[in-house]
Amino acid sequence: GAGVSQSPRYKVAKRGQDVALRCDPISGHVSLFWYQQALGQGPEFLTYFQNEAQLDKSGLPSDRFFAERPEGSVSTLKIQRTQQEDSAVYLCASNPYRGRTEGYTFGSGTRLTVV
Amino acid sequence: KQEVTQIPAALSVPEGENLVLNCSFTDSAIYNLQWFRQDPGKGLTSLLLIQSSQREQTSGRLNASLDKSSGRSTLYIAASQPGDSATYLCAVKRNYGGSQGNLIFGKGTKLSVKP
Repeated sequence: GAGVSQSPRYKVAKRGQDVALRCDPISGHVSLFWYQQALGQGPEFLTYFQNEAQLDKSGLPSDRFFAERPEGSVSTLKIQRTQQEDSAVYLCASNPYRGRTEGYTFGSGTRLTVV
Repeated sequence: KQEVTQIPAALSVPEGENLVLNCSFTDSAIYNLQWFRQDPGKGLTSLLLIQSSQREQTSGRLNASLDKSSGRSTLYIAASQPGDSATYLCAVKRNYGGSQGNLIFGKGTKLSVKP
């Protein structure tokens, strides 16, 4: 596609529910990143994929967070047993390079509200 | 631990004014620094990227400078327009450790340009 597509745009979850957020990167982009942006804050790194390999998951806040990119294209971020502090915008970004930060294209994000 | 700070948090100026946004970082061992723009409900758009060996970059009415030794960058916007209203985020990439591609962001400066 022309850009990075994320779905859903908005998600309201009851505390304790599991959610799955989808990211469709630009076709052919090797690198894919997930960031979490709380209200009034800058984005914070969650995890990084190079093709299907998850090379860095150091930013995932707890073992309730899980991400995958099984075929090296679409990625899913799953949050189990959601809690109120998980409320944030989840941003996905991709670029065509390995291990570089040039050429980032961000999606519009998924706004998750946990009630 | 690298920390990125942006001052001011918010800025309101009349149209046509020149303005400066500030970014500081605590660890000078950076690989590069980027300035992004974020519009409400949208993803981030990269404006300028400065490699650690560079002192400044220019694009149209935008000029970004980098003083790595003092841990500072500025984004200069000339002849501001209402369309420049957005949140401006500064982000650095470390040149050691962690993921090869993740960025560390400041909280942003919310700019409002009044007609």
